[in-house]
Amino acid sequence: GENVEQHPSTLSVQEGDSAVIKCTYSDSASNYFPWYKQELGKRPQLIIDIRSNVGEKKDQRIAVTLNKTAKHFSLHITETQPEDSAVYFCAASSRGTSYDKVIFGPGTSLSVIP
Amino acid sequence: NAGVTQTPKFQVLKTGQSMTLQCAQDMNHEYMSWYRQDPGMGLRLIHYSVGAGITDQGEVPNGYNVSRSTTEDFPLRLLSAAPSQTSVYFCASSSNRGLGDTQYFGPGTRLTVL
Repeated sequence: GENVEQHPSTLSVQEGDSAVIKCTYSDSASNYFPWYKQELGKRPQLIIDIRSNVGEKKDQRIAVTLNKTAKHFSLHITETQPEDSAVYFCAASSRGTSYDKVIFGPGTSLSVIP
Repeated sequence: NAGVTQTPKFQVLKTGQSMTLQCAQDMNHEYMSWYRQDPGMGLRLIHYSVGAGITDQGEVPNGYNVSRSTTEDFPLRLLSAAPSQTSVYFCASSSNRGLGDTQYFGPGTRLTVL
């Protein structure tokens, strides 16, 4: 069945350094790839997304790249700050029995050390 | 707008008991879904709905029932609770049928089954 893998499971960086989180997906029909951030004790919130007709998207310090041929996509955070510390989830759309659904990866716990 | 609301926030059940987790949204969203979150396993899709009267199974549907009689409400029913269903449950909604639109999450329900 459909599957989204995510690496690494934990990541620790110094403040100001860059962080990269990588995901792979199994459903070749996937065409929507969102990234969510979840702070401790809070609900997940969308931070950026990309569609299959785009190879890269950037929003200030956050960027996402997509390689449909290899079925992988990545989140890049530059100039990390302590408030970037959180769990990050990648996700991919996938075809259900009748309708599309969104499947999440297992998450990456990012710690930014001041 | 209240966004996505969930009740209760916390619940303790005994094995074999049944209960319903409530989810409501006031954004007139077509797409609603239920996820469970367990440590190291990310957000796993239980059931989802693309509109009133239309539901489909996600990755882990066993032990759970859903129905969608109105656009606003999407309750999740546990028929006979088991300790393996101890988890944090999130409801989410989006205006698109899961294809390329932000999912807004509720605050979550923390369920413990003894």
